[in-house]
Amino acid sequence: AQTVTQSQPEMSVQEAETVTLSCTYDTSESDYYLFWYKQPPSRQMILVIRQEAYKQQNATENRFSVNFQKAAKSFSLKISDSQLGDAAMYFCAYRSGMNYGGSQGNLIFGKGTKLSVKP
Amino acid sequence: DAGVTQSPTHLIKTRGQQVTLRCSPKSGHDTVSWYQQALGQGPQFIFQYYEEEERQRGNFPDRFSGHQFPNYSSELNVNALLLGDSALYLCASSFGGAGWVQETQYFGPGTRLLVL
Repeated sequence: AQTVTQSQPEMSVQEAETVTLSCTYDTSESDYYLFWYKQPPSRQMILVIRQEAYKQQNATENRFSVNFQKAAKSFSLKISDSQLGDAAMYFCAYRSGMNYGGSQGNLIFGKGTKLSVKP
Repeated sequence: DAGVTQSPTHLIKTRGQQVTLRCSPKSGHDTVSWYQQALGQGPQFIFQYYEEEERQRGNFPDRFSGHQFPNYSSELNVNALLLGDSALYLCASSFGGAGWVQETQYFGPGTRLLVL
């Protein structure tokens, strides 16, 4: 079974600085997708960035970028120029690229990292 | 363009009661997945619906059941509520069912259920 581990329960960053959140996963599959979701106190789970395992190039979305190391099964999120609005829980998630039994597949989440941004 | 909506936002029930939570997918989406998020934890997959059928189920007892309607909206029903069912219930929608494994799931704001 696939697992996702986020080893940092809490992180803190100064406004305008850069922070990296760690995520490792375990799978025997070669085709899969990785995601970072942000969950602010409003509870809405918001997609930050996604990475397809078959792509060697790291995904980037504005101030957010990932460091995807497939062999090491590592998927870290870097937030540049941190803003107060970045404060939230961040969840790393895995989804298989295989079509099992007629399903699109489910997300497997880590336990999350709480990010605080200091003004 | 309306995103994923869920109702109600909050709900308080007592042990043994039954509850129904509702979800309307994002416009253009036809696949609905439900997740349970206990306090301080990541979401756990309950089940996924496509074409009005349950396509995949996580490790949840039969007390958890669902339904998908022809307009793609969905309900989550929980019978014989236990204290441990207290959680945030998240609905996520996506497009295309099993043939579109690359599609991203978009989440609603959730329903906070408290069981006393």
